[in-house]
Amino acid sequence: DQQVKQNSPSLSVQEGRISILNCDYTNSMFDYFLWYKKYPAEGPTFLISISSIKDKNEDGRFTVFLNKSAKHLSLHIVPSQPGDSAVYFCAASGSGGSNYKLTFGKGTLLTVNP
Amino acid sequence: KAGVTQTPRYLIKTRGQQVTLSCSPISGHRSVSWYQQTPGQGLQFLFEYFSETQRNKGNFPGRFSGRQFSNSRSEMNVSTLELGDSALYLCASSWFPESSTEAFFGQGTRLTVV
Repeated sequence: DQQVKQNSPSLSVQEGRISILNCDYTNSMFDYFLWYKKYPAEGPTFLISISSIKDKNEDGRFTVFLNKSAKHLSLHIVPSQPGDSAVYFCAASGSGGSNYKLTFGKGTLLTVNP
Repeated sequence: KAGVTQTPRYLIKTRGQQVTLSCSPISGHRSVSWYQQTPGQGLQFLFEYFSETQRNKGNFPGRFSGRQFSNSRSEMNVSTLELGDSALYLCASSWFPESSTEAFFGQGTRLTVV
């Protein structure tokens, strides 16, 4: 049972435009959500996160939106740059304490065309 | 500040052998988690350690084991290797095993089983 789903395996956008990557989750115990970016043969790099008590978090060109009622989050990249081309993973974690683990989606390959 | 260091970067082993992978977390980080990345399954959680104790374990067979030392360095071991164990093994560290923290990943160890 996949608890975090990224339904678009790939996305292609033009440089300068907005990239919107989507993620859905099913586990209502998740209370913290993260986006990671990954280049081939490298580990994932943390991008941005959001707590379930917020509905938006912004960091430079990256904004994450959380819709708890729909169990949906999205990552907006504005403006998109060719260097943003990578696989983007959505991840979620549950209530804290001794149960720390990240549940990842399968990733979306973003290609930003010059 | 040094990042998460994983050794070795690449490894080729034969079916039936065993392998040990090493992870040195970011200085001061006490929580270390391990993930397996394969093309079909994405990133899957293996286990998490904090203060030398395994706090959480994913759905992997007993052939996969790990440990954490007093300096927070961690090792994972896979015994009786199978072809399906070929994957990128990623280690991540964080300050505490709390849900509302980011995990920082190493570059991974690419294991190939032949």
